[in-house]
Amino acid sequence: GIQVEQSPPDLILQEGANSTLRCNFSDSVNNLQWFHQNPWGQLINLFYIPSGTKQNGRLSATTVATERYSLLYISSSQTTDSGVYFCAVNQAGTALIFGKGTTLSVSS
Amino acid sequence: DGGITQSPKYLFRKEGQNVTLSCEQNLNHDAMYWYRQDPGQGLRLIYYSQIVNDFQKGDIAEGYSVSREKKESFPLTVTSAQKNPTAFYLCASSISGRMYEQFFGPGTRLTVL
Repeated sequence: GIQVEQSPPDLILQEGANSTLRCNFSDSVNNLQWFHQNPWGQLINLFYIPSGTKQNGRLSATTVATERYSLLYISSSQTTDSGVYFCAVNQAGTALIFGKGTTLSVSS
Repeated sequence: DGGITQSPKYLFRKEGQNVTLSCEQNLNHDAMYWYRQDPGQGLRLIYYSQIVNDFQKGDIAEGYSVSREKKESFPLTVTSAQKNPTAFYLCASSISGRMYEQFFGPGTRLTVL
C-alpha cells in the first residue's frame, strides 16, 4: 500500500521563527489533508490540498502531486502552534492513511 | 452547531469486558470512520461505513465490531478478543467519495485495567 513519510519527526523552535514540514507519499493520491493535533488529542483540519497552494493566516501549504510531496509552512510561530502535525492521504478507498507526524515545540 | 461528538471522553475497562464507544454527527455526512491512535503513532483505520447498513473492515478490524443503523451514528464495540485495546479512538465523517475532506471528533481514550 501507499507509504506516507513525514519529516522532521521533531522540531523545536523559538517563538517567532519560521518552519517547513514535509510529507512524502509513495504513489498518486486523490486527497491530501494536513491536521494539527492539540494537547487534548483533537485533530484540527488545517488544509485539504490534493494539489496546488493554499494559505490561511500564518500557515500555508503546497502539494506537488506529480513529485509526490506536500509542504506545510508555519511563519512567525507561536506557543499555541505546539503539537503534532499530521499529513494524511487517500488513494484507492475513502479512508485516510496517516504519516507518523511531526512534533513541534515552540518556546517563548 | 454542526459537528462530531464522541462519548465518553475517558473509559476504563477490565480485561474480558466488551465496551461500546459512541460517535454521533449532525453534518449530514454519509461516510463515517473509526481510527485508532497509539502513543507516538499516526492513526490507523479500524472500520468505515459509506452508507447506512453497510460497513467495511479497515487495516486493524480484528477484535472490533460496528453497526450503522442510522446515518448520524456509528458506534464501535471493543470486544474481549482485542488483544491490546488501550489506545485513543477517533471517529471521523465526510461526504461519501474519495475527494472529500474528513472531519474528526474529539476522541475517546480507552484504558484496560
